[in-house]
Amino acid sequence: DTGVSQDPRHKITKRGQNVTFRCDPISEHNRLYWYRQTLGQGPEFLTYFQNEAQLEKSRLLSDRFSAERPKGSFSTLEIQRTEQGDSAMYLCASSPPPGGPQETQYFGPGTRLLVL
Amino acid sequence: GEDVEQSLFLSVREGDSSVINCTYTDSSSTYLYWYKQEPGAGLQLLTYIFSNMDMKQDQRLTVLLNKKDKHLSLRIADTQTGDSAIYFCAETLYNTDKLIFGTGTRLQVFP
Repeated sequence: DTGVSQDPRHKITKRGQNVTFRCDPISEHNRLYWYRQTLGQGPEFLTYFQNEAQLEKSRLLSDRFSAERPKGSFSTLEIQRTEQGDSAMYLCASSPPPGGPQETQYFGPGTRLLVL
Repeated sequence: GEDVEQSLFLSVREGDSSVINCTYTDSSSTYLYWYKQEPGAGLQLLTYIFSNMDMKQDQRLTVLLNKKDKHLSLRIADTQTGDSAIYFCAETLYNTDKLIFGTGTRLQVFP
């Protein structure tokens, strides 16, 4: 396993369309996170899963956003009725179960979304 | 409240040391991290420090934590052109797993 992977790496869409991104975490990492990074800013937390349970959601996650992790492995992030303000890099991270020596978040390469 | 601040730019000559600074406001921080981001790429974890430590050294990297002043720094010894990137400090708070990031410091290394 070489790390967290995300697909697609880039997505261009028209305003009003729906988009879905996928994240595959590092094997045996039971925690998975989604962040959003806009130009010139640090990443901002969106949501977090432990196994298949979504444990925390940011107020940034409007009702147009939905994230799932149905089998506790990969996760999807869907944005409905995209707006130009949704243009950003969407980053996924995973981390192992708590209590271990490497209890840190490892990031994927991100999906860059451009809404026209 | 949650707020992490960093200076925006740092320019150093190759071979010199770089010091990137970060301040945070929430005293309930548990871990503090340094991540590196190269253009168009994701975040690479460089190092982290537990909040009850003062210093951590890892090869060319030295992290100093002043918990009283809520100040974190990353020193890169013998800075190389390959170190040019954006460096983010981040914290996790007690009872939450989410990372709170600063705005990032762009390090430029010139020959």
